Amino acid sequence: DGGITQSPKYLFRKEGQNVTLSCEQNLNHDAMYWYRQDPGQGLRLIYYSQIVNDFQKGDIAEGYSVSREKKESFPLTVTSAQKNPTAFYLCASSIGASGGRELFFGEGSRLTVL
Amino acid sequence: AQSVTQLGSHVSVSEGALVLLRCNYSSSVPPYLFWYVQYPNQGLQLLLKYTSAATLVKGINGFEAEFKKSETSFHLTKPSAHMSDAAEYFCAVGGKAAGNKLTFGGGTRVLVKP
Repeated sequence: DGGITQSPKYLFRKEGQNVTLSCEQNLNHDAMYWYRQDPGQGLRLIYYSQIVNDFQKGDIAEGYSVSREKKESFPLTVTSAQKNPTAFYLCASSIGASGGRELFFGEGSRLTVL
Repeated sequence: AQSVTQLGSHVSVSEGALVLLRCNYSSSVPPYLFWYVQYPNQGLQLLLKYTSAATLVKGINGFEAEFKKSETSFHLTKPSAHMSDAAEYFCAVGGKAAGNKLTFGGGTRVLVKP
């Protein structure tokens, strides 16, 4: 079955530590996205990538980093510079980057900073 | 710039009653509009989308939405609520100029009473 796999589902981190969230898709989609979800705020775009080896900052990129070395993979690193990293993180992909395309979402990773 | 406002963070309906979720948007270009549904601790799933074809859009699970340009609205309705409709619903807007980057509303959580 085609889809998006995010891991880990739950992650606990001590303050000052970097963590990396995995996102893998087997849908052969060109575009991939990372969103952050906080209660009452909807989803906010962190980074997106329209093609391999290229990515752009979204609305809240500070304290995060990404890479896109393979079409299937778009890992997100939450660095110690992110002031409030506790949140639900969602990875998504779309068949292309032009407007109007459906986003397909993974099941999310919940990060808690202790 | 684009933005989305969902009126009401929580909505309670009786089983069998009408479900109405409100969404107003702003966009400097003709918009693409989406409704997504999220069940607890899961990713988002597309309910329906408007991409400048018919203004009344039918989606999955008996939901539909009407695009009203004069009111800048895209409200979601379902004639008869089912217990399985209990979830959080997100309205999102995109535009050709924004690529496939979507701006999401804050979400509306639906509670269905037996």
